[in-house]
Amino acid sequence: EAAVTQSPRNKVTVTGGNVTLSCRQTNSHNYMYWYRQDTGHGLRLIHYSYGAGNLQIGDVPDGYKATRTTQEDFFLLLELASPSQTSLYFCASSPGGGAEVFFGKGTRLTVV
Amino acid sequence: AQKVTQTQTSISVMEKTTVTMDCVYETQDSSYFLFWYKQTASGEIVFLIRQDSYKKENATVGHYSLNFQKPKSSIGLIITATQIEDSAVYFCAMRAMPNYNVLYFGSGTKLTVEP
Repeated sequence: EAAVTQSPRNKVTVTGGNVTLSCRQTNSHNYMYWYRQDTGHGLRLIHYSYGAGNLQIGDVPDGYKATRTTQEDFFLLLELASPSQTSLYFCASSPGGGAEVFFGKGTRLTVV
Repeated sequence: AQKVTQTQTSISVMEKTTVTMDCVYETQDSSYFLFWYKQTASGEIVFLIRQDSYKKENATVGHYSLNFQKPKSSIGLIITATQIEDSAVYFCAMRAMPNYNVLYFGSGTKLTVEP
């Protein structure tokens, strides 16, 4: 079954630490996205990509890097994690255009 | 810029009744796409239903339907015969120019269905 799989599902790191969140999709979709979800803000777009090697900046990119290594794999990197990046992170994929977006189950990141 | 607004933070209804959740949007585009998603208690986000702006007929899927009022830039989600398992957070979202490839979300409405 086509899916979006995120790992890890939970992560605790210290302030200043490095964190990589992974996402793999088997939907054969061109577009992949990283969103963060915080109470009162809904889902906010961090970065997205329309194919391997491509990266587009979203609405809240500060403090985040991302890399799309293959059609299937999209990584979110926090090189100097801060407590403000404590959040629930979602990866998603879509064919693009006007189509629906399909979400992974999320990664809860805590920066202490 | 696109903007999606859900003013109802939370709603509580009795089981088997009908509930409507409101959503208004802003876009300069004449062609756009509107979506509703459900986030369950486990945190999973699931696509429910969509409305393409050029379609006059309101979309319906199962016990979900939409009230699309284009002149008011409004897309309400109607759930009929609510069930306990409909308790969740519901998000409205939009794709529009200048970038159809990005989905913009409202802040969500928490629905509680009481037995």
